[in-house]
Amino acid sequence: EDKVVQSPLSLVVHEGDTVTLNCSYEVTNFRSLLWYKQEKKAPTFLFMLTSSGIEKKSGRLSSILDKKELFSILNITATQTGDSAIYLCAVARANAGGTSYGKLTFGQGTILTVHP
Amino acid sequence: DTGVSQNPRHKITKRGQNVTFRCDPISEHNRLYWYRQTLGQGPEFLTYFQNEAQLEKSRLLSDRFSAERPKGSFSTLEIQRTEQGDSAMYLCASSLGGGPGSYEQYFGPGTRLTVT
Repeated sequence: EDKVVQSPLSLVVHEGDTVTLNCSYEVTNFRSLLWYKQEKKAPTFLFMLTSSGIEKKSGRLSSILDKKELFSILNITATQTGDSAIYLCAVARANAGGTSYGKLTFGQGTILTVHP
Repeated sequence: DTGVSQNPRHKITKRGQNVTFRCDPISEHNRLYWYRQTLGQGPEFLTYFQNEAQLEKSRLLSDRFSAERPKGSFSTLEIQRTEQGDSAMYLCASSLGGGPGSYEQYFGPGTRLTVT
């Protein structure tokens, strides 16, 4: 069964700090790893990572995937109160034939709280 | 707004009643997913459609749950004889089927179900 574990489960920081969120996974026929941000509503898409070692960046957020060690990290620099949210990691896999397989398997999320 | 929409946003029902939720995906997306999320957990896959075909159902989905997507556009999720354990946020997501883009799922705002 596919498994995604995130750490830490919660994190409290002050504005301006840099944070690193971790996601490790075990999945058959791995295809992609995705990061989402969830505030008091639906998850919003941040990144999709498919290849090892290639950093994806969007503003103060960046993420990288290590397919050998089966983990990903999400970095947020110069945190702001608006970064307070639950950050979800999910994995997608292909079926035996190599075509995309519908479901995402999510971790339990990391609750990030940024104090002013 | 061309994102995923869900109705109703909140539903309170008494145990034993039937409820139905609706999801309208992003118009060009042919894949549609249903997830359930409880407090402190990541979304949990329920089922997904490619066009009107239901391609997978989670074994967690009891016989009381049924989903349809009759014309390959909007979808409905029905829960019959609701139980208190069904209380959760029901999330709908959509994506483009086939190719790398199929893994990028975009979520709607969710329907929060409370069973009393």
